[in-house]
Amino acid sequence: DADVTQTPRNRITKTGKRIMLECSQTKGHDRMYWYRQDPGLGLRLIYYSFDVKDINKGEISDGYSVSRQAQAKFSLSLESAIPNQTALYFCATSDQGARGYTFGSGTRLTVV
Amino acid sequence: AQSVTQLDSQVPVFEEAPVELRCNYSSSVSVYLFWYVQYPNQGLQLLLKYLSGSTLVKGINGFEAEFNKSQTSFHLRKPSVHISDTAEYFCAVSGSTSGTYKYIFGTGTRLKVLA
Repeated sequence: DADVTQTPRNRITKTGKRIMLECSQTKGHDRMYWYRQDPGLGLRLIYYSFDVKDINKGEISDGYSVSRQAQAKFSLSLESAIPNQTALYFCATSDQGARGYTFGSGTRLTVV
Repeated sequence: AQSVTQLDSQVPVFEEAPVELRCNYSSSVSVYLFWYVQYPNQGLQLLLKYLSGSTLVKGINGFEAEFNKSQTSFHLRKPSVHISDTAEYFCAVSGSTSGTYKYIFGTGTRLKVLA
């Protein structure tokens, strides 16, 4: 099994629908992150969590919300999806130091 | 505040030729530097990292990078590339502010290895 698992891998949804992307990890890391990848823009941080009771907004949190259900689970929700939220979404984890991230395989979301 | 600039959005290179992917950063605190690789339809994998010590860092798949503090650069190099190195490469910087580490990613460089 992968260290960081994201579900679903691909999703097409309609404008206005609520959608949840899920992430679970077996690394035992405290820190979890949600990023969005768009061509030419690299990865932009949506939300991050340093432990179960700590949730922080990233640079592009508008239109998104998160829930840290347990140390190993961090979900991202789009309350009312819009077409410009079409992107590749990545979950990542890290320990408390600076040794680097472990990424999931990504969720490709299309909003039509 | 920290920032990362990857100067080249695309780099074509012939197989077995050397390649350098450029990365410059700015930061007001001490930094840690990373290169990640993303193969098509996959997530990002850590290629190599600089935390401290020797400024020349060796990573997986024959890649290496050199930390140059005076030039605020962390360029990625490989002496001889293979078709399988075709991927997108991301430079990232992390620095501690009040004990927390936040990572900033560059916009990526797409390496295309030509036969």
